[in-house]
Amino acid sequence: DQQVKQNSPSLSVQEGRISILNCDYTNSMFDYFLWYKKYPAEGPTFLISISSIKDKNEDGRFTVFLNKSAKHLSLHIVPSQPGDSAVYFCAATRRNYGGSQGNLIFGKGTKLSVKP
Amino acid sequence: DAGVIQSPRHEVTEMGQEVTLRCKPISGHDYLFWYRQTMMRGLELLIYFNNNVPIDDSGMPEDRFSAKMPNASFSTLKIQPSEPRDSAVYFCASSPGTGRGGTEAFFGQGTRLTVV
Repeated sequence: DQQVKQNSPSLSVQEGRISILNCDYTNSMFDYFLWYKKYPAEGPTFLISISSIKDKNEDGRFTVFLNKSAKHLSLHIVPSQPGDSAVYFCAATRRNYGGSQGNLIFGKGTKLSVKP
Repeated sequence: DAGVIQSPRHEVTEMGQEVTLRCKPISGHDYLFWYRQTMMRGLELLIYFNNNVPIDDSGMPEDRFSAKMPNASFSTLKIQPSEPRDSAVYFCASSPGTGRGGTEAFFGQGTRLTVV
């Protein structure tokens, strides 16, 4: 069973418009959520994160929203640029559970294409 | 710091052969993770270590898979004997752990394994 789900395998957006990538999770014990970006032939790179005590975190063009009651988070990219074209992975973990790090549970990713 | 270093970048081997993947984590990071990426299952955690000690190996698919971390700067993932269904990209990642720079994991560039 997938604990972290990204139901859209792909998304195509026009340059300058908003990209919205969605992620759902099932485990209510997750308390920290992350987005990673991955280019072909490279490892995933950390993009932005949010703790479960917050509902929004912003970093430049990237904003992550968390709706705990719906167990849903989203990544907004505004404005979208062609260089944003990549696969985006949502990940979740139990950072504060039992004092341990836990591990990152990833969704399957959404391939974003930003067209000029 | 050079980041997480994995070797080899590509490995092609025949079914039944032993395969060893190597990883050098970022210096000072207490956590090391091995992930496997396939089209069907996405990024799945195989095993992770904290201070060189294996914490959770429940993701290791079979007894043919084994991982070691003899010291803080080196880890191996071994598959013996290898099978065609083991073909995937294997990522190593390291993290400083909770309270020291966050929970974000830093990934290596991956090893693309092909078993023929």
